[in-house]
Amino acid sequence: DAKTTQPNSMESNEEEPVHLPCNHSTISGTDYIHWYRQLPSQGPEYVIHGLTSNVNNRMASLAIAEDRKSSTLILHRATLRDAAVYYCILPSNTGNQFYFGTGTSLTVIP
Amino acid sequence: SQTIHQWPATLVQPVGSPLSLECTVEGTSNPNLYWYRQAAGRGLQLLFYSVGIGQISSEVPQNLSASRPQDRQFILSSKKLLLSDSGFYLCAFTAVDRGLGGYTFGSGTRLTVV
Repeated sequence: DAKTTQPNSMESNEEEPVHLPCNHSTISGTDYIHWYRQLPSQGPEYVIHGLTSNVNNRMASLAIAEDRKSSTLILHRATLRDAAVYYCILPSNTGNQFYFGTGTSLTVIP
Repeated sequence: SQTIHQWPATLVQPVGSPLSLECTVEGTSNPNLYWYRQAAGRGLQLLFYSVGIGQISSEVPQNLSASRPQDRQFILSSKKLLLSDSGFYLCAFTAVDRGLGGYTFGSGTRLTVV
């Protein structure tokens, strides 16, 4: 199954942009890249997903490398409420499930 | 709208006691259903998933089991809990009509085995 690699933790100052990287060198050509985040004591929530082109929504932007072996989640202006664990995940070979790693724990400094 | 309900929110159980956690989905038919567990300070571990009634796939050998008696009901059970079963249990679903970004999680059950 395709796997992802993320830094364990990152820090950002409030109101500044945050770039969260993810490596997925074994991604297949049809795998969508998904990002979720988990606030303390809550279930993960969907953030964004994409295939090849960069994607934007109200929560974040997703920049996907041309070779698709890496991607970056961009929070344009970090707020204290963005402090969470961010997961970059790919579907399994069957497409029926996702495997979550340990994600990146983002700390936002006021 | 599509929603997922999971209960209870917290649970303290003695070692050796049985366990039953329930999860129900509303607003969609034939969802894929999932049970995940998260140990303290760790990532999410997929325990079971189901693509239909009575169809259960187990990802990790353990003393837990799952059942899907109805289309939108998913139950996680144990006959005898171990201390190592403590953790945060999450139910989730995906629905075909939500597209590829449609992985929705419940609010979780925090289980402490004492």
